[in-house]
Amino acid sequence: GNSVTQMEGPVTLSEEAFLTINCTYTATGYPSLFWYVQYPGEGLQLLLKATKADDKGSNKGFEATYRKETTSFHLEKGSVQVSDSAVYFCALSDGIFGNEKLTFGTGTRLTIIP
Amino acid sequence: EAQVTQNPRYLITVTGKKLTVTCSQNMNHEYMSWYRQDPGLGLRQIYYSMNVEVTDKGDVPEGYKVSRKEKRNFPLILESPSPNQTSLYFCASSLGRLSNQPQHFGDGTRLSIL
Repeated sequence: GNSVTQMEGPVTLSEEAFLTINCTYTATGYPSLFWYVQYPGEGLQLLLKATKADDKGSNKGFEATYRKETTSFHLEKGSVQVSDSAVYFCALSDGIFGNEKLTFGTGTRLTIIP
Repeated sequence: EAQVTQNPRYLITVTGKKLTVTCSQNMNHEYMSWYRQDPGLGLRQIYYSMNVEVTDKGDVPEGYKVSRKEKRNFPLILESPSPNQTSLYFCASSLGRLSNQPQHFGDGTRLSIL
């Protein structure tokens, strides 16, 4: 079956540091890949997505590139802010018609210190 | 305002007492889904629906029922709740196929089954 593996948290960084959160996946077919963010007390929000190999998703200074050869979709940001503190989830949809499941990783809690 | 609304937000109840968590969206979305979020396990899909009267099992459907009689509503029913169903539950909706469309999440329902 499908699976998503994220780096273990929590991750604590200083403001303006470089961020990488690793995500690798196993899937049948040709999955679409997503990063969702969950701020305290809220539901998840889509951060970015990529639907095919070599696509780069980007939003709010975050980026992730769909690497089919390494089955990875690592999240990066060049300079983090305190407001980026949240839990980040990598997810995939395998794109098989009629099978609309979304598989999430376990989440990575990020804390940014001023 | 476009939103997914869940009720109740918090509920403490006892084993065996039937309960329903309602979910409603005002975006005319076809796709709706229920997830549970548990520490160390991330989000796991319980059930999903691709349209009215069309529902299918996710990864952890045991002990839950759903129905989709109207496009906007997708209630989650626990016929005989047990303590292992204590969790944080999220409803989500999207315009179309998950591979192309982002999901919009509600703010969550925290259930405690004693």
